[in-house]
Amino acid sequence: DAGVTQSPTHLIKTRGQQVTLRCSPISGHKSVSWYQQVLGQGPQFIFQYYEKEERGRGNFPDRFSARQFPNYSSELNVNALLLGDSALYLCASSWGTSPTFGSGTRLTVV
Amino acid sequence: GQQLNQSPQSMFIQEGEDVSMNCTSSSIFNTWLWYKQDPGEGPVLLIALYKAGELTSNGRLTAQFGITRKDSFLNISASIPSDVGIYFCAGSVGNAGNMLTFGGGTRLMVKP
Repeated sequence: DAGVTQSPTHLIKTRGQQVTLRCSPISGHKSVSWYQQVLGQGPQFIFQYYEKEERGRGNFPDRFSARQFPNYSSELNVNALLLGDSALYLCASSWGTSPTFGSGTRLTVV
Repeated sequence: GQQLNQSPQSMFIQEGEDVSMNCTSSSIFNTWLWYKQDPGEGPVLLIALYKAGELTSNGRLTAQFGITRKDSFLNISASIPSDVGIYFCAGSVGNAGNMLTFGGGTRLMVKP
């Protein structure tokens, strides 16, 4: 069975640009969440979506947005990129209380 | 906001040694999870704890959910080279299982 898949795996963007990251959950998982992991730190919660509705939002600016589609896949959008947005962005899916993580998208903002 | 303090931040291990790390919080959690992350990968779940006082094992790994619900520990017995990596604790409040608060991680390295 396929795990949580994220695309792209790596991305380089310029300050001020916009980026869209994609996530496909494990088949049957209806909840998707997004985390930002800065180098040397633990992941920080950004969003949770369940059945296409936002169920939780972390302490991130409005430049960050997300959505979930009818097939439960999800996108994370970040506008007006800053150098500090450089990080590993992780997607996790679950059907219960033990989320399974993807390998992440490494975003570098230059 | 909630924070998890994880210690130690890093440690060297020699094959065969037992390893212990812990996590403390200023707030109560209803779920404690322990993950391991290898370079270039996402965190992989090792052990999940759902009840205060619960002690759970997964092979050479043992973890406990503290009675106060504000702490948890992870022990690794008879460490092997593939145990090297970064271990994270994570806590969840209520039924929001996906809204995890992570600790800063414990980096296990091999003694030269």
